[in-house]
Amino acid sequence: EIVMTQSPATLSVSPGERATLSCRASQSVSSDLAWYQQKPGQAPRLLIYGASTRATGIPTSFSGSGSGTEFTLTISSLQSEDFAVYYCQQYNNWPLSFGGGTKVEIK
Amino acid sequence: EVQLLESGGGLVQPGGSLRLSCAASGFTFSSSVMSWVRQTPGKGLEWVSTISSSGGSTFYADSVKGRFTISRDNSKNTLYLQMGSLRAEDTAVYYCARDHGAVSGTQFDYWGQGTLVTVSS
Repeated sequence: EIVMTQSPATLSVSPGERATLSCRASQSVSSDLAWYQQKPGQAPRLLIYGASTRATGIPTSFSGSGSGTEFTLTISSLQSEDFAVYYCQQYNNWPLSFGGGTKVEIK
Repeated sequence: EVQLLESGGGLVQPGGSLRLSCAASGFTFSSSVMSWVRQTPGKGLEWVSTISSSGGSTFYADSVKGRFTISRDNSKNTLYLQMGSLRAEDTAVYYCARDHGAVSGTQFDYWGQGTLVTVSS
């Protein structure tokens, strides 16, 4: 089973600043990596797939990079609606697996 | 508009059974791979099961294999999860989700609102 590890667990950022979230896979997942955003009381929302392709309707302020075992989600300028929990997910191998999440909070 | 509406959650005793349903609309259900994903406060998101568009292929997490069965009725646009031999650690919000890709085992582009399953005596 591929273990996904996200860091940091919590990221405190001021509005307008840049946020960089990391996700590491225990073995290579190629570019089979997705990112999700989840707000309290809501289901996760797909942001990025294929490590770097934005899903439909996702603003350009969100970008993904990486391949193999190291991945990054960057939010270029945090807006109030971007404060949430972010998860990565690999789909290179069964079982599909998620990271533990990074909470982006207001500094 | 894509909609996924789960139902069937509730309180069940350890060892009991429950069937979840997910009614889909707004897309071609019979062409879509579908999955169940659950979320607990302590363990975050956990993939549970996936079923191919025809229903001919199914995939399960080891934690539920042999106890849960995923199925679908394409004539009713409905996805199911039959859960048996339930344990306290199955307590979670269960989400129905549509796979983004055409093949099984990709990312999830649409999610339902979730249904809470609580296993407790």
